[in-house]
Amino acid sequence: GAGVSQSPSNKVTEKGKDVELRCDPISGHTALYWYRQSLGQGLEFLIYFQGNSAPDKSGLPSDRFSAERTGGSVSTLTIQRTQQEDSAVYLCASSLWDLPNEKLFFGSGTQLSVL
Amino acid sequence: DAKTTQPPSMDCAEGRAANLPCNHSTISGNEYVYWYRQIHSQGPQYIIHGLKNNETNEMASLIITEDRKSSTLILPHATLRDTAVYYCIVLGDDKIIFGKGTRLHILP
Repeated sequence: GAGVSQSPSNKVTEKGKDVELRCDPISGHTALYWYRQSLGQGLEFLIYFQGNSAPDKSGLPSDRFSAERTGGSVSTLTIQRTQQEDSAVYLCASSLWDLPNEKLFFGSGTQLSVL
Repeated sequence: DAKTTQPPSMDCAEGRAANLPCNHSTISGNEYVYWYRQIHSQGPQYIIHGLKNNETNEMASLIITEDRKSSTLILPHATLRDTAVYYCIVLGDDKIIFGKGTRLHILP
């Protein structure tokens, strides 16, 4: 596709369940980033990938959060035993090469609601 | 730590130039100045970036002071569709840290 694609666009889950969020970056982009944005708040960095490796996982809030990237393309963000405070929009972005001299292209996000 | 300071909100009349300031007094020599914007319910959108020189593209102009301690994003002819939160970011490494940004209201 032409842009970064995220699925599902909306996810409603019950507290304690596991969820998987998917990101398809722009074809050929080597770097991939995950952010989350709680209602009315700014963007919070979670993790970034260069190829299939994650040099920086510093933003993952807890060990319930994990992410992987396969084939240098698709990435999945997994949240185990979801809590209500995990409710947010999860945004994925990709860039052709590593920052700093690159543009990030963002997807439309996954709205996660934990009941 | 976003490393930048921006006014929380600004108004601009439709059709006028919108000038959004940003202070980054601790910027170091190899750090870029980036601008992104986020229109309601959408992912952030890249606008422009620069290192030392002023830059212009189809969306905006970026004016960086000679000492690089501040910059201004200029939207030359603001429209209602430019209503968004505008983020000024200083970036020298491998990830973008977003601050609170400036909420720009375009007034009809």
